[in-house]
Amino acid sequence: GAGVSQSPSNKVTEKGKDVELRCDPISGHTALYWYRQSLGQGLEFLIYFQGNSAPDKSGLPSDRFSAERTGGSVSTLTIQRTQQEDSAVYLCASSYTGQRGDTQYFGPGTRLTVL
Amino acid sequence: GENVEQHPSTLSVQEGDSAVIKCTYSDSASNYFPWYKQELGKGPQLIIDIRSNVGEKKDQRIAVTLNKTAKHFSLHITETQPEDSAVYFCAASGPGYSSASKIIFGSGTRLSIRP
Repeated sequence: GAGVSQSPSNKVTEKGKDVELRCDPISGHTALYWYRQSLGQGLEFLIYFQGNSAPDKSGLPSDRFSAERTGGSVSTLTIQRTQQEDSAVYLCASSYTGQRGDTQYFGPGTRLTVL
Repeated sequence: GENVEQHPSTLSVQEGDSAVIKCTYSDSASNYFPWYKQELGKGPQLIIDIRSNVGEKKDQRIAVTLNKTAKHFSLHITETQPEDSAVYFCAASGPGYSSASKIIFGSGTRLSIRP
């Protein structure tokens, strides 16, 4: 079946502009995660959605970052007033139940470049 | 919070030889340890995982070992092939985290297989 998809695959923006990144999780998966991967670095957790529960926003680096998940499916990550240090690959993942040990399936990522 | 350290950051081995990547974790309550492989331009993919109730797990040419006392775990790839070239991430998860399935990733190991 279809995996996790993300759009756009690449985004170039100017400093100070807002950007929206989209994630379509695997159908039926209740949990959705956003991560950030800077060049040559590991994955930094940003935010986690589980069903109808309040999202875990503990990884968001600043109040310029926000995310929502509509209808328990598609999610958008919004970065306001982008800065050059926001340049990174933003990865989305989903899992079936969100329980510990449940495999997370990753999308291909969106490469964001802030000029 | 949990901290996962991964070594080495880069590894080059001759095709056919074995590769070993090591990780340590700080939270003794961690009980789930997945390994992900990330090929160029793609999101990470789960290749093997281990839970704290076992010390070793094998799947064809890959194996993972876990030493709970020392709080370290390792990935072993035998008979390496060119398609094993990728970045490998270890990760840890446990009951002490704010979200049931939030995973803390290591910084990654870039594995190169020399022909």
